Amino acid sequence: KAGVTQTPRYLIKTRGQQVTLSCSPISGHRSVSWYQQTPGQGLQFLFEYFSETQRNKGNFPGRFSGRQFSNSRSEMNVSTLELGDSALYLCASSPQGTDYNSPLHFGNGTRLTVT
Amino acid sequence: GQQVMQIPQYQHVQEGEDFTTYCNSSTTLSNIQWYKQRPGGHPVFLIQLVKSGEVKKQKRLTFQFGEAKKNSSLHITATQTTDVGTYFCAGPRTDSWGKLQFGAGTQVVVTP
Repeated sequence: KAGVTQTPRYLIKTRGQQVTLSCSPISGHRSVSWYQQTPGQGLQFLFEYFSETQRNKGNFPGRFSGRQFSNSRSEMNVSTLELGDSALYLCASSPQGTDYNSPLHFGNGTRLTVT
Repeated sequence: GQQVMQIPQYQHVQEGEDFTTYCNSSTTLSNIQWYKQRPGGHPVFLIQLVKSGEVKKQKRLTFQFGEAKKNSSLHITATQTTDVGTYFCAGPRTDSWGKLQFGAGTQVVVTP
């Protein structure tokens, strides 16, 4: 079974631009979560989607948004990029969003650098 | 708010030695999960503990869930260079903001 696929792996953007990151979950997984990882803040939850609906949202500004498609693939968008948005963005899928006992399967992440 | 704390933040270990890293939650957890992230990699699920006082072993790794279900530990025996990485514990959030609350991680460096 293929793992979680994130594209692109690396991205360099300038301040003020916007960016879209993509995530394809493991086949059959309906829950997709996004995390931001930085050296100082660790793994911070962005949002979770389940069956095309955003079920949970972390404490991030409205510049961060996402969506999920009918095939469970998900995209994350960041508008008006700031230097502080430089981070590793990780997508994780799990079989059932309501099953808190399901482990998360992470993708390799997208390394975003904002200059 | 709910907090999950890990100590130590950094762990330098001589190859062949044992060490333990600890995870403490400010609230009771229904379960706790452990993940390992190799340098330059992504977090990979290691194990989940559900029962109070549960102990699980994976080769040289021993995981324990506290009796009060508010703390956990990971003990590694005879550390090898393959154990290098950051170990995260994570527990379900009690608010509506997401699935898992991750600790800051313990970064393990192994000296040959």
